[in-house]
Amino acid sequence: QSVLTQPPSVSATPGQTVTISCSGSTSNIGRNDVAWYQQLPGAAPKLLIFRNSERPSRVPGRFSGSRSGTSATLVITGLQTEDEADFYCGTWDNNLRTAVFGGGTKLSVL
Amino acid sequence: QVQLQESGPGLAKPSETLSLTCSVSGYSISSDGYYWSWIRQPAGKGLEWIGAIYHSGVTNYNPSLESRVTMSVDKSNNQFSLKVTSLTAADTAVYYCARTEYGATWYYFDYWGQGTPVPVSS
Repeated sequence: QSVLTQPPSVSATPGQTVTISCSGSTSNIGRNDVAWYQQLPGAAPKLLIFRNSERPSRVPGRFSGSRSGTSATLVITGLQTEDEADFYCGTWDNNLRTAVFGGGTKLSVL
Repeated sequence: QVQLQESGPGLAKPSETLSLTCSVSGYSISSDGYYWSWIRQPAGKGLEWIGAIYHSGVTNYNPSLESRVTMSVDKSNNQFSLKVTSLTAADTAVYYCARTEYGATWYYFDYWGQGTPVPVSS
């Protein structure tokens, strides 16, 4: 059971927009910034979004993030087939004194 | 460009101790501003943070693993290491090392190694 809650899967067709939610509590997302990671099949996770909405320079603008209260959202616009991957949200939990992750969301681009 | 590379035994036995090393290139682990973490992922499952170490030797461990985990840093070789004792099958996972950005309200992993699979089996 992960500390942060994500939907197990989402799907969409190329060109569409998809959103992935990440729900937490006052001890984690409610107090700390959220990061998102993309894990392509067979590969290590890569940082996609940090500090809720910032993107590393190599990440296209099609990926955006936001945080409100105890939840965060990843939005991917103009979906491409190569976006198929697992996506994880993560942050720090002040009560558990540990970094925590969501259980991951598998994105299928049909 | 920052690169991390895990190395380890490839296989571990129950009740024994796992030792892994992460070699860092393109950035000095002696520089201020970053922790260095270990994260693991059982096959088909999510990510679990094991802990992190600063170049000074200060460590933060996941409380759920703290009694079995030790991390160390080797600044002369730009490496850091992980030891996990009393292994069980539940420790079977891909182990990643990652550079860790931290601040008053943020904690995230900006560069990752490719991961090393560690099956625990007799």
